[in-house]
Amino acid sequence: ETGVTQSPTHLIKTRGQQVTLRCSSQSGHNTVSWYQQALGQGPQFIFQYYREEENGRGNFPPRFSGLQFPNYSSELNVNALELDDSALYLCASSLGGSSSPRDTQYFGPGTRLTVL
Amino acid sequence: QKEVEQNSGPLSVPEGAIASLNCTYSDRVSQSFFWYRQYSGKSPELIMSIYSNGDKEDGRFTAQLNKASQYVSLLIRDSQPSDSATYLCAVNIEDSGGGADGLTFGKGTHLIIQP
Repeated sequence: ETGVTQSPTHLIKTRGQQVTLRCSSQSGHNTVSWYQQALGQGPQFIFQYYREEENGRGNFPPRFSGLQFPNYSSELNVNALELDDSALYLCASSLGGSSSPRDTQYFGPGTRLTVL
Repeated sequence: QKEVEQNSGPLSVPEGAIASLNCTYSDRVSQSFFWYRQYSGKSPELIMSIYSNGDKEDGRFTAQLNKASQYVSLLIRDSQPSDSATYLCAVNIEDSGGGADGLTFGKGTHLIIQP
């Protein structure tokens, strides 16, 4: 167990809808990263938050947005859902400072999103 | 464009043998290297991290890093059926001022340990 939790476990939405996924980081971890993992692929970096500020973003459109709260929880919001957004969404928390390359990331169990 | 390449497999290894998993990466400024294990339907679980050239051992697992060849590997000794999973190689680089880039993952190698 990594101490990282995510909700919900599974979610079904229709194209065009909006979704909010939630993550609770390990206590004391200031950094949370979100990843999208399509079937048969490795996780792809969406963005990272450090002390409630976005401090890095992957190649994802602006309809993917996030928030980080002082209580170690965070959210991933996706607007105008598309069929290709169907994937496993993973959050990972880490202890270290902003952008430390040696910062070890611990993953939550993930949310399986299906877009119909 | 950072790339991490892994043979997707499946790699089939007899129980008790050594499983050897390989990974190459394209970005010469890559700083940190991680191996994650992912069981079907589950999230990635950290196995090893390595930052310096050479070998790093942890129980039955040994990670090997060669930055000159841009190559990192994971050896699993005395392979067990419970080691059957997908193994993901991930790299991270120093923030160059443009913000964090997160981990860059390969597609993973599917390992099957045959009883």
